[in-house]
Amino acid sequence: GQQVMQIPQYQHVQEGEDFTTYCNSSTTLSNIQWYKQRPGGHPVFLIQLVKSGEVKKQKRLTFQFGEAKKNSSLHITATQTTDVGTYFCAADEGNRDDKIIFGKGTRLHILP
Amino acid sequence: NAGVTQTPKFRILKIGQSMTLQCTQDMNHNYMYWYRQDPGMGLKLIYYSVGAGITDKGEVPNGYNVSRSTTEDFPLRLELAAPSQTSVYFCASSYSGTRHYEQFFGPGTRLTVL
Repeated sequence: GQQVMQIPQYQHVQEGEDFTTYCNSSTTLSNIQWYKQRPGGHPVFLIQLVKSGEVKKQKRLTFQFGEAKKNSSLHITATQTTDVGTYFCAADEGNRDDKIIFGKGTRLHILP
Repeated sequence: NAGVTQTPKFRILKIGQSMTLQCTQDMNHNYMYWYRQDPGMGLKLIYYSVGAGITDKGEVPNGYNVSRSTTEDFPLRLELAAPSQTSVYFCASSYSGTRHYEQFFGPGTRLTVL
């Protein structure tokens, strides 16, 4: 079945440093979503990417969808303590299967 | 709108007991999902539903059952609880048309089976 690989699994960064997490699929995706889960909380939708090569920004967060629509990345510039949490990508192949597949997530820890 | 609500928030079960986790959404979403999240791990899809009267298995359906008699409600039933079912359970809903839209998650139910 479809699998979505997300790397790294964990990342520790000094506050103010940048952070990037990557999401890779062996199959072409229809679209990809990104979620953030704070410690003890529930996943919260951040963004959805649909077009090949699409780049979207939300303040310090930059999301990219690869040209081949098989990979995506989330980049955070100048991390802050409020960025702590786990970031998940969720992939949709766009076939008749009505579910999306979540990656295992990247847990971001910020060192003050 | 309350969004997605789940009850109970916490529950401790003994091995072999049964229980139903409740999930309700007031956004008129046609799609609903149940996930489990083990400590430090990702989300695993248990069951999902694309509309009232329709349910389908996800990645880890064994030991669980669901029903979808209304658009709003999607209860998850655990029969004969086992320690391996200790987890946090999230219900989610989304609108879905020609593609998937964002999923709205409930606050979760933390279940411990002893």
